[in-house]
Amino acid sequence: GDSVTQMEGPVTLSEEAFLTINCTYTATGYPSLFWYVQYPGEGLQLLLKATKADDKGSNKGFEATYRKETTSFHLEKGSVQVSDSAVYFCALENQGAQKLVFGQGTRLTINP
Amino acid sequence: ETGVTQTPRHLVMGMTNKKSLKCEQHLGHNAMYWYKQSAKKPLELMFVYSLEERVENNSVPSRFSPECPNSSHLFLHLHTLQPEDSALYLCASSQDTGMSTDTQYFGPGTRLTVL
Repeated sequence: GDSVTQMEGPVTLSEEAFLTINCTYTATGYPSLFWYVQYPGEGLQLLLKATKADDKGSNKGFEATYRKETTSFHLEKGSVQVSDSAVYFCALENQGAQKLVFGQGTRLTINP
Repeated sequence: ETGVTQTPRHLVMGMTNKKSLKCEQHLGHNAMYWYKQSAKKPLELMFVYSLEERVENNSVPSRFSPECPNSSHLFLHLHTLQPEDSALYLCASSQDTGMSTDTQYFGPGTRLTVL
């Protein structure tokens, strides 16, 4: 079945550091790919998405590119802030499936 | 604020209690979802409703009983739960177009503790 694998956390960085959180997937067909973020005490919020190969999703300085050849959707940010501390989830949804498949989440802590 | 609200935000219950979780969406969506988020495990989809009809049930124990009286409201009725059912229960909604661009919007969750 479909699955998503994220890099193990937790990840701790200093403010203004470069961030990469790896995500790879296994899926039949041509899924859409998502990054969701969960701030402490809150539900999940959509951060960005990409619906086809080579698409780049971006939001709040975060970017991820849909790479079909490597089945990856790595999340990057050039300069992180303390306010980016959260848990980040990579997810996929196959067309028409109405079912998000999530990775296990990566906890990110940014120190001032 | 995503337009999806959940009550209560926290719930503590004994194994013999009966309680209900409520979700309401103000987005005009047609599909609603229940997810379970346990520590160190990926989010698990429990139920999917589309236009008030259940379209997916991922082998969830019968002690969890969903109800969708209309497209704006979704309930999760709980009875005879086990301590391992303690988790964050998340509700989500989507437009339900069946398109790959359809996005799910999540509520803040109910933190459930079963004693």
